[in-house]
Amino acid sequence: EAGVTQSPTHLIKTRGQQATLRCSPISGHTSVYWYQQALGLGLQFLLWYDEGEERNRGNFPPRFSGRQFPNYSSELNVNALELEDSALYLCASSLITGGGETQYFGPGTRLLVL
Amino acid sequence: AQRVTQPEKLLSVFKGAPVELKCNYSYSGSPELFWYVQYSRQRLQLLLRHISRESIKGFTADLNKGETSFHLKKPFAQEEDSAMYYCALTRSARQLTFGSGTQLTVLP
Repeated sequence: EAGVTQSPTHLIKTRGQQATLRCSPISGHTSVYWYQQALGLGLQFLLWYDEGEERNRGNFPPRFSGRQFPNYSSELNVNALELEDSALYLCASSLITGGGETQYFGPGTRLLVL
Repeated sequence: AQRVTQPEKLLSVFKGAPVELKCNYSYSGSPELFWYVQYSRQRLQLLLRHISRESIKGFTADLNKGETSFHLKKPFAQEEDSAMYYCALTRSARQLTFGSGTQLTVLP
């Protein structure tokens, strides 16, 4: 079974630009989560999409946005990039079974803002 | 607000020694607790979850609601256990709240 995939693996942008990160969930998973792992700040929840809808967002400004497509893949868009947006962005997809929900993580996209 | 605290950023033990990675949480309710592990150059992966009450790779973790703790334990550490370990919790909102992680190094 293929795992969660993310693209690109690395992304270099300058301040003020926009970044688009992509995530393909495991086949059959309908929920996608985005997390930011910034240096010194740990893993922080960004956004949750399920069945094409944004279900919840973390404590991030509106310039962090995204969407989920009918095939359940997802995009994370970061507008007006700031230096502190430099981080590893992780995507996770999940499956709810009788035993509960398990989130499976992708390898991440490392964003560097210069 | 929910919070997960892992007091040790770094932990080193010798091979064969017991290891305990500490995790405390604050949440008024019944959270679900997890341990995730990230081996070098690999993606973050689930190690175990408290509702399963299982042992994975020799690791166990017991949820202590009185002490609001979910410490990860292994009686005999192996070199291949060296990794970054994250404690996390979730509730009805489903997203994970992570601790800051503990880098475990098992020395030969």
